[in-house]
Amino acid sequence: AQSVSQHNHHVILSEAASLELGCNYSYGGTVNLFWYVQYPGQHLQLLLKYFSGDPLVKGIKGFEAEFIKSKFSFNLRKPSVQWSDTAEYFCAGLFGFKTIFGAGTRLFVKA
Amino acid sequence: DAGVIQSPRHEVTEMGQEVTLRCKPISGHDYLFWYRQTMMRGLELLIYFNNNVPIDDSGMPEDRFSAKMPNASFSTLKIQPSEPRDSAVYFCASSLGPTGQYFGPGTRLTVT
Repeated sequence: AQSVSQHNHHVILSEAASLELGCNYSYGGTVNLFWYVQYPGQHLQLLLKYFSGDPLVKGIKGFEAEFIKSKFSFNLRKPSVQWSDTAEYFCAGLFGFKTIFGAGTRLFVKA
Repeated sequence: DAGVIQSPRHEVTEMGQEVTLRCKPISGHDYLFWYRQTMMRGLELLIYFNNNVPIDDSGMPEDRFSAKMPNASFSTLKIQPSEPRDSAVYFCASSLGPTGQYFGPGTRLTVT
């Protein structure tokens, strides 16, 4: 069965630290992958997406993610976080026509 | 574009009452999704439609929940009768084809 796993449930960083959030999926076929961000009290917003081509995808607000097929991973990165990046981050996979979301990772950035 | 519109933004009701949540997707989008988000269970897909037709309702918790999409610009999620455990934020999202979804602001439902 298809699944999306985010192993870090809570991450605390200081401003200017580098960020990497893990995302792994389970599926034998073609998959499209997404990262969403949910700021406190707000709805989910699309950060970036991977469909095909260059496995390094750049999104909004300085975020990027790398698709590594051999590792079934799509980790989210940002070289230097800001206090305003405090939010919950969701990885999602589109398997056929069904989108499955990971459990989310809560990021808290200390000013 | 105004984005996905949901109403009401907040709903407080008593147990046993009927609750109807409304969603207007982004014009031209052919997929519509209903999600429920709670602290305990995270983000759950309840049902999704393609071209107004329900495709997968396996996430609908029980018969008290029903969803309709009478046309391309409107969908409802109804809970009858409501129970305290239905308290959650309900999100509607839409997309054009199998691309990234655009979420509405959500409806915060409290059942007392």
